[in-house]
Amino acid sequence: TQLLEQSPQFLSIQEGENLTVYCNSSSVFSSLQWYRQEPGEGPVLLVTVVTGGEVKKLKRLTFQFGDARKDSSLHITAAQTGDTGLYLCAGTNTGFQKLVFGTGTRLLVSP
Amino acid sequence: DSGVTQTPKHLITATGQRVTLRCSPRSGDLSVYWYQQSLDQGLQFLIQYYNGEERAKGNILERFSAQQFPDLHSELNLSSLELGDSALYFCASRGTGSGANVLTFGAGSRLTVL
Repeated sequence: TQLLEQSPQFLSIQEGENLTVYCNSSSVFSSLQWYRQEPGEGPVLLVTVVTGGEVKKLKRLTFQFGDARKDSSLHITAAQTGDTGLYLCAGTNTGFQKLVFGTGTRLLVSP
Repeated sequence: DSGVTQTPKHLITATGQRVTLRCSPRSGDLSVYWYQQSLDQGLQFLIQYYNGEERAKGNILERFSAQQFPDLHSELNLSSLELGDSALYFCASRGTGSGANVLTFGAGSRLTVL
């Protein structure tokens, strides 16, 4: 069974602070995705990374895929209250037949 | 609106009962995935269908079953319900071509078993 462990589980910070969320596995994935989920809604895709060592930036969010394609990180610069939510990493192998989700990181950004 | 429709949004039932959750994928999407999300947990993959055929199975209990119909909508059947089955059940559909690596989720069906 492929497992994706995220850390930290919970993160409570003030607006303007920086943070990093980690996603680790002992398995290799062909691609890794990050989702954000808000209460009462389904997860929404933020980014997909497919190449070991790849770095993608979306405004204040920076995503990195580990060289060995077993881990990933999400860094948020100058967090805003709108960043509050549950962040989920998810890995898949070729064929995208099974997207395995991580344990989740719940982020609370206070004004 | 993500384009993936799930019904019902909320469902309260008793132990031992059977329920059916319904999912309509985005127009044109052939793949449907079902996930279970219990309180404070991540999403557990249950099962995937592609154009009516089962393609992958995850940690789906024998009491649970699913199918995808010719019109591509899918149903997840949960029987002999237990308290521990209380959870959010999400359906997601996957696109084709440039959207082949994107899962679009519905808003979920919240099941409460009393």
